[in-house]
Amino acid sequence: SQTIHQWPATLVQPVGSPLSLECTVEGTSNPNLYWYRQAAGRGLQLLFYSVGIGQISSEVPQNLSASRPQDRQFILSSKKLLLSDSGFYLCACQRQSSYNEQFFGPGTRLTVL
Amino acid sequence: KNQVEQSPQSLIILEGKNCTLQCNYTVSPFSNLRWYKQDTGRGPVSLTIMTFSENTKSNGRYTATLDADTKQSSLHITASQLSDSASYICVVSAGFQKLVFGTGTRLLVSP
Repeated sequence: SQTIHQWPATLVQPVGSPLSLECTVEGTSNPNLYWYRQAAGRGLQLLFYSVGIGQISSEVPQNLSASRPQDRQFILSSKKLLLSDSGFYLCACQRQSSYNEQFFGPGTRLTVL
Repeated sequence: KNQVEQSPQSLIILEGKNCTLQCNYTVSPFSNLRWYKQDTGRGPVSLTIMTFSENTKSNGRYTATLDADTKQSSLHITASQLSDSASYICVVSAGFQKLVFGTGTRLLVSP
């Protein structure tokens, strides 16, 4: 079964600073990968998904970007953080099955001050 | 508009008691419905997943039901334990890469 790692677990950054969150997956190959944001009291919001290396689809226009330099690596970035970027960021992996079930990583708690 | 609504928003029950969480959805087309458990500060963990043709599925003390006609689902927790304290999220799939998330029900099991 797959294991999803996210780094760092928590992060406090000032407004205007850059961001790089990393997600790596073990135990599967050629997965679909996803970045979600969960704001307090809100449902998960899909930010980006990737079906392969270098292939990124954006669901919500914003100052974030994503990259997939390797098959099992997914990176979420920003050049300048906003206060509204604070939240809980989750990476998810989808294996190829009839249910298209998604498995989530442990998350990164980002606080922008 | 695709939506998933969950009720109640929060719930407190005594350890050992049963409870039922509700999920109503207006998602089209419908592919499948999942229930996730999310501990505070952790990623969601899948409990059950049901397609259109399945109307009940169990995972230990968790039993999910699905009524595709009324577009309702429920998650029943039997003999609750302290470790059941978490948020429970209902997610409906509208096809490839189209997941609609509910905002969750926060359950607190009290000793």
